[in-house]
Amino acid sequence: TQLLEQSPQFLSIQEGENLTVYCNSSSVFSSLQWYRQEPGEGPVLLVTVVTGGEVKKLKRLTFQFGDARKDSSLHITAAQPGDTGLYLCAGAYSSGSARQLTFGSGTQLTVLP
Amino acid sequence: DAGITQSPRHKVTETGTPVTLRCHQTENHRYMYWYRQDPGHGLRLIHYSYGVKDTDKGEVSDGYSVSRSKTEDFLLTLESATSSQTSVYFCAITDLNLNEQYFGPGTRLTVT
Repeated sequence: TQLLEQSPQFLSIQEGENLTVYCNSSSVFSSLQWYRQEPGEGPVLLVTVVTGGEVKKLKRLTFQFGDARKDSSLHITAAQPGDTGLYLCAGAYSSGSARQLTFGSGTQLTVLP
Repeated sequence: DAGITQSPRHKVTETGTPVTLRCHQTENHRYMYWYRQDPGHGLRLIHYSYGVKDTDKGEVSDGYSVSRSKTEDFLLTLESATSSQTSVYFCAITDLNLNEQYFGPGTRLTVT
């Protein structure tokens, strides 16, 4: 079983602070997704990265894919209470089935007003 | 929003009873998935389907079976529920081009 390590597991910050969430593996991804999940709902796709070194921005969220396509990060600038939720990374491994994703265990973010 | 529904949304059942969860999609996607989500484990793949009557096992398939008789429906069955199967179950479909998955709202199952 290929592992996808996500850190930190929990993060509690004040409104206006910046934060970064990390997703790491020893294997190469063909693509990687970030999802956000709110209580009682299913995960919702935020972004997909496919090219090593790729950077994508979604308002205050910046997603980066490592040059070797083994790691990714999510950076939130000036966090707001509405950013509170469970953030999940998920990767499709180059060596595995392209139709299956492996999920990290998630980062529970709480932004306090 | 992707057209995915799950039923029931909540269920409480007793140990040893059979349980079937239903996933319905209106997107005509070929691939469908069943995951369970537990604290500290993220989402773990139970079974998936790549077409009508075509299914395969995932990481945590023991104690579960699936069926797909129509493109739009994917059923997950617990033949004899156990307390370790208490979890939140999610169905997903995929965009084949980028492996992006779209999730249903989930079913919270409690086995007492």
